[in-house]
Amino acid sequence: DGGITQSPKYLFRKEGQNVTLSCEQNLNHDAMYWYRQDPGQGLRLIYYSQIVNDFQKGDIAEGYSVSREKKESFPLTVTSAQKNPTAFYLCASSIGGSWNQPQHFGDGTRLSIL
Amino acid sequence: AQKVTQAQTEISVVEKEDVTLDCVYETRDTTYYLFWYKQPPSGELVFLIRRNSFDEQNEISGRYSWNFQKSTSSFNFTITASQVVDSAVYFCALSEADNTDKLIFGTGTRLQVFP
Repeated sequence: DGGITQSPKYLFRKEGQNVTLSCEQNLNHDAMYWYRQDPGQGLRLIYYSQIVNDFQKGDIAEGYSVSREKKESFPLTVTSAQKNPTAFYLCASSIGGSWNQPQHFGDGTRLSIL
Repeated sequence: AQKVTQAQTEISVVEKEDVTLDCVYETRDTTYYLFWYKQPPSGELVFLIRRNSFDEQNEISGRYSWNFQKSTSSFNFTITASQVVDSAVYFCALSEADNTDKLIFGTGTRLQVFP
């Protein structure tokens, strides 16, 4: 079945540690996105990529980094510079730009600080 | 500035009741799309519907219906005869032709349907 796979489902980070969240899609979508969800808030865009080897900062990119070396993969690294990383992270993809296409989402990764 | 407001933080109903989730949006763009997503307890967002700014026809899909009114900048979602499986967080979102990089989400409405 086509879809988006995020791993791991739960992740714990120690102080000063970088952690990487995986996102893989087999939908042949060009665009991929990372969102952060905090309790009682909507989704906030961290980074997005419209094409391989290119990505753009979203609204809350500080303390995060991404890469897009393959069409199928868009990993997110939460660096030690992100002082409040505890949140639910969602990866999404769409056929083209988000403006008129629905985004398809993965199951999410819940990140907590040890 | 573009914005999506879902004023209802949480709604509780008993099974078989009808329930309407409100969504009000702000945009200066004349060309835009509105979306509804469902987030069940498992976490992933499930796409429900997309509506473009030039199509004000209401839509019905089974127990779900959507009412789009440009005059009031609203895109409300009604569930008829609610079921326990409808319990989830529902998000309304806006995408604009002049701001193609972003999907702007509301803060969501948590719907709890009790048996």
